[in-house]
Amino acid sequence: GAVVSQHPSRVICKSGTSVKIECRSLDFQATTMFWYRQFPKKSLMLMATSNEGSKATYEQGVEKDKFLINHASLTLSTLTVTSAHPEDSSFYICSAFSLTAGGASETQYFGPGTRLLVL
Amino acid sequence: AQSVAQPEDQVNVAEGNPLTVKCTYSVSGNPYLFWYVQYPNRGLQFLLKYITGDNLVKGSYGFEAEFNKSQTSFHLKKPSALVSDSALYFCAVSHTNAGKSTFGDGTTLTVKP
Repeated sequence: GAVVSQHPSRVICKSGTSVKIECRSLDFQATTMFWYRQFPKKSLMLMATSNEGSKATYEQGVEKDKFLINHASLTLSTLTVTSAHPEDSSFYICSAFSLTAGGASETQYFGPGTRLLVL
Repeated sequence: AQSVAQPEDQVNVAEGNPLTVKCTYSVSGNPYLFWYVQYPNRGLQFLLKYITGDNLVKGSYGFEAEFNKSQTSFHLKKPSALVSDSALYFCAVSHTNAGKSTFGDGTTLTVKP
């Protein structure tokens, strides 16, 4: 199936610094990508929908100035956690939809996730 | 609004036995239903989905799910569990095929030898 990559897989940073996470669709183009946050042993919480060439759409309660999303190309979306604090520590996962073989329908493919630890 | 409930945090089965992971949903209009599996420190992997048609959907790794409109359920099943099936399973619902999904809280499946 389609492949979505994330970089870095793990990052540790000091409180107050900014961290950028990249999400790439490796063998397909994605006009829309999604960013999720997952707490330990908890479900995925949708943070925002990343739209290529336009502003991201944020879910209620997600600070857009805190979590900056840029979808500059059809294969790359970035999430920047600005002025990170320990409460931002989490597992961040991106996803993108790709047509299944034969183009019959679309399937959501997830990246492997990025573990952020803010000290 | 759309929502998903996975009533069991944990499901334990013996290897070779059938397994069921439960999911119920709520969505306006026709539902698009999905099952994903997550291994430790990894992203989610797609297992199967229901859009329309046959209520019994077959997916990856021998899993299947049955859509029941009257009970608003989409339970995940497998006739014979493997130890390697042990993982965290998420049910998700959307009101479109490629739109944002709402996920259940997840069910940890443990298959013991």
